[in-house]
Amino acid sequence: EADIYQTPRYLVIGTGKKITLECSQTMGHDKMYWYQQDPGMELHLIHYSYGVNSTEKGDLSSESTVSRIRTEHFPLTLESARPSHTSQYLCASSEWGNQETQYFGPGTRLLVL
Amino acid sequence: AQSVSQHNHHVILSEAASLELGCNYSYGGTVNLFWYVQYPGQHLQLLLKYFSGDPLVKGIKGFEAEFIKSKFSFNLRKPSVQWSDTAEYFCALKDGNNRLAFGKGNQVVVIP
Repeated sequence: EADIYQTPRYLVIGTGKKITLECSQTMGHDKMYWYQQDPGMELHLIHYSYGVNSTEKGDLSSESTVSRIRTEHFPLTLESARPSHTSQYLCASSEWGNQETQYFGPGTRLLVL
Repeated sequence: AQSVSQHNHHVILSEAASLELGCNYSYGGTVNLFWYVQYPGQHLQLLLKYFSGDPLVKGIKGFEAEFIKSKFSFNLRKPSVQWSDTAEYFCALKDGNNRLAFGKGNQVVVIP
């Protein structure tokens, strides 16, 4: 069982609000990822990090930002939420290695009204 | 760019029936392939993975998958499903840049 946590699990918020989705892992993994998933669609990588102070944008353009100040923590922030941000956000982590495997958190379901 | 295709998004079958979910990928280099499962209300969990060696991979809960390089496929199988196998199943490919590309998933419902 992977030890990766996301809070909140569900969030309903109004347009224009600033939100931060939390992701923490206790496995000491250097690599962390954020995916966005709409119902019935594939997961799309929006941000990733290969270690402290490393952040990169993923395949899908996103208005969100991330930070990686500590190894175990990889929060995602939306400065001004909009209805188009409504989606599920999944955090994952992995360690370096030949058989690198990503482990996922439970996800945050975001609804922006 | 790499891509992963999963067909028959919704699959409904009875307990004890056999299950096969197709996964085809498009990528010219060395691939690592994964099947993840998401049970209702739970997070994505790794079912099995293929990196090299025996193309027939056995995973948890009686699942297996076969990597057929000539067909660019990595189909998932289980000979006899149970109600508890009701879940969404995702095929994923990791390319040479360690980036994961996911298929759209198969929603599987097993009727008791």
